[in-house]
Amino acid sequence: EPEVTQTPSHQVTQMGQEVILRCVPISNHLYFYWYRQILGQKVEFLVSFYNNEISEKSEIFDDQFSVERPDGSNFTLKIRSTKLEDSAMYFCASRTDRVNSPLHFGNGTRLTVT
Amino acid sequence: EDKVVQSPLSLVVHEGDTVTLNCSYEVTNFRSLLWYKQEKKAPTFLFMLTSSGIEKKSGRLSSILDKKELFSILNITATQTGDSAIYLCAVEYQGAQKLVFGQGTRLTINP
Repeated sequence: EPEVTQTPSHQVTQMGQEVILRCVPISNHLYFYWYRQILGQKVEFLVSFYNNEISEKSEIFDDQFSVERPDGSNFTLKIRSTKLEDSAMYFCASRTDRVNSPLHFGNGTRLTVT
Repeated sequence: EDKVVQSPLSLVVHEGDTVTLNCSYEVTNFRSLLWYKQEKKAPTFLFMLTSSGIEKKSGRLSSILDKKELFSILNITATQTGDSAIYLCAVEYQGAQKLVFGQGTRLTINP
């Protein structure tokens, strides 16, 4: 069964550094998402992406964050100048269409900012 | 503010028991409610509910939505240790792309 794949599974970085989290969505999916889950807290929406542009973003998704689909398969989340509070599990998700299909999540990247 | 509340937050039962997990929501312009199972990492999709009163079933798991009372339940019968996980409820509403998640129910099945 096709699945969303994310790399790396764990990333440790120092405060102030830039990180890029990578995702390969399911191949026939058109809508792409990033969510995050701080330890012990709810899963939170960050951003949605369709047709090569951001379609919605949350308040969390400020200028520190950016997303890109550099080719036909990868979907990346860049975090510039990481902060301690960016430490979380970051999930990529994708779906075939917006209305009648569920989101399928990847296994996540655990980001630890020291 | 859109809100999704799950109960109980934690539940410990013995193998073979039946459990009912609850999810209530305060979401305007509701579109769908989804249930996910989160074991170690990725939330894995269980059910997507859009219509009231229609039960969705997959093996020992079933779920139903009540759009009038704004809640859903997830039932698991004849529980097994492999059912131990966090069960997440999420709501999607019209005109938005995001899912709003509840805090999850941590289910532990003891042998």
